[in-house]
Amino acid sequence: DAMVIQNPRYQVTQFGKPVTLSCSQTLNHNVMYWYQQKSSQAPKLLFHYYDKDFNNEADTPDNFQSRRPNTSFCFLDIRSPGLGDAAMYLCATSRVPGEQYFGPGTRLTVL
Amino acid sequence: AQSVTQPDIHITVSEGASLELRCNYSYGATPYLFWYVQSPGQGLQLLLKYFSGDTLVQGIKGFEAEFKRSQSSFNLRKPSVHWSDAAEYFCAVGAYSGGYQKVTFGTGTKLQVIP
Repeated sequence: DAMVIQNPRYQVTQFGKPVTLSCSQTLNHNVMYWYQQKSSQAPKLLFHYYDKDFNNEADTPDNFQSRRPNTSFCFLDIRSPGLGDAAMYLCATSRVPGEQYFGPGTRLTVL
Repeated sequence: AQSVTQPDIHITVSEGASLELRCNYSYGATPYLFWYVQSPGQGLQLLLKYFSGDTLVQGIKGFEAEFKRSQSSFNLRKPSVHWSDAAEYFCAVGAYSGGYQKVTFGTGTKLQVIP
């Protein structure tokens, strides 16, 4: 089945230690998104790629970066995780126009 | 900028009872509207969407939603709730900006189903 895959599902890192989260898709969608979702809150868009064009939300901290080496893969890099970055990170994809398809998420714990 | 309001943070219904989750949106043009469901520790699954056309939209798992422009609402309904419907439900509005669709989510409604 075509889908959005996120690895790992659970990630534990130490305060200040860089971490990378991975997202891949088999849907061949041209847009990929990264969201941060904290407990009992709505998903918050961090940034998205429209093909190779990167678009950062104005309030996304500089600590968060992203890479999209090809259509299928997108990475979220957190350069120096703080305790406040502990959250569920959701990857989504879409065509334009179209609804977004979400992966299962990566739960990040910062110790 | 678009926005979404889900006035009910938490709803409890009995299994077999009907369900209506409220959603109000704010957007200057014709909106793209969505309902997503999220089970604990999982990603979001699309239940249904409205882009245009018939204002009563059928979705998966027996859900439907009705777009009412005059009330800026897109309420989600199900005639008979099952225990497996217990989850968090997010209403969302999408708007095109710079060639992509930015989706704004409501704060969610947690549904509890009691036997």
